[in-house]
Amino acid sequence: KNEVEQSPQNLTAQEGEFITINCSYSVGISALHWLQQHPGGGIVSLFMLSSGKKKHGRLIATINIQEKHSSLHITASHPRDSAVYICAATSGTYKYIFGTGTRLKVLA
Amino acid sequence: DTGVSQDPRHKITKRGQNVTFRCDPISEHNRLYWYRQTLGQGPEFLTYFQNEAQLEKSRLLSDRFSAERPKGSFSTLEIQRTEQGDSAMYLCASSLGITSTDTQYFGPGTRLTVL
Repeated sequence: KNEVEQSPQNLTAQEGEFITINCSYSVGISALHWLQQHPGGGIVSLFMLSSGKKKHGRLIATINIQEKHSSLHITASHPRDSAVYICAATSGTYKYIFGTGTRLKVLA
Repeated sequence: DTGVSQDPRHKITKRGQNVTFRCDPISEHNRLYWYRQTLGQGPEFLTYFQNEAQLEKSRLLSDRFSAERPKGSFSTLEIQRTEQGDSAMYLCASSLGITSTDTQYFGPGTRLTVL
């Protein structure tokens, strides 16, 4: 069992839909990160969470420390949101422990 | 551009050859990380440096792999006697090095194909 797991693995949505991507982890963490990866490899950090909720534009990230669970929500999805979304944990050491990613495709 | 850069972006080599990749981190960043990503998977940790010191190595980093950061600035990752299983995207990231939760900034990656 991976230390960080994501669901779903693939997600197709229609433009405008509300999207939720889930991340569960089995390790104690110091922070949980959400990242976006576009085709070609570039990875961009979206959020770092240690508690509660953060919002940036149409993106919202939440974390429940007791349940070891985090969610990334995209409101009013748009085709340009199509990418792979990855959650990663840091747990005392400095390295990221990555989930397998969720491939999102938003159709116009 | 002051982001993390990697060179080359693509490398095709024959099995058994040696390859070397370079990573230039953001200039004030003390920590530098190497990750490997195979198709359809999330990245996996390989190793990281605090300045010039290599502080952690993954079990994934076999004897054929070596990484250096000689002056605490750029880093190189060398793979000797490449195997087809080494085909992957090799990602470099850097961070300030202040806390364990520093945001890491990723380079564009080097895609290695071993024939």
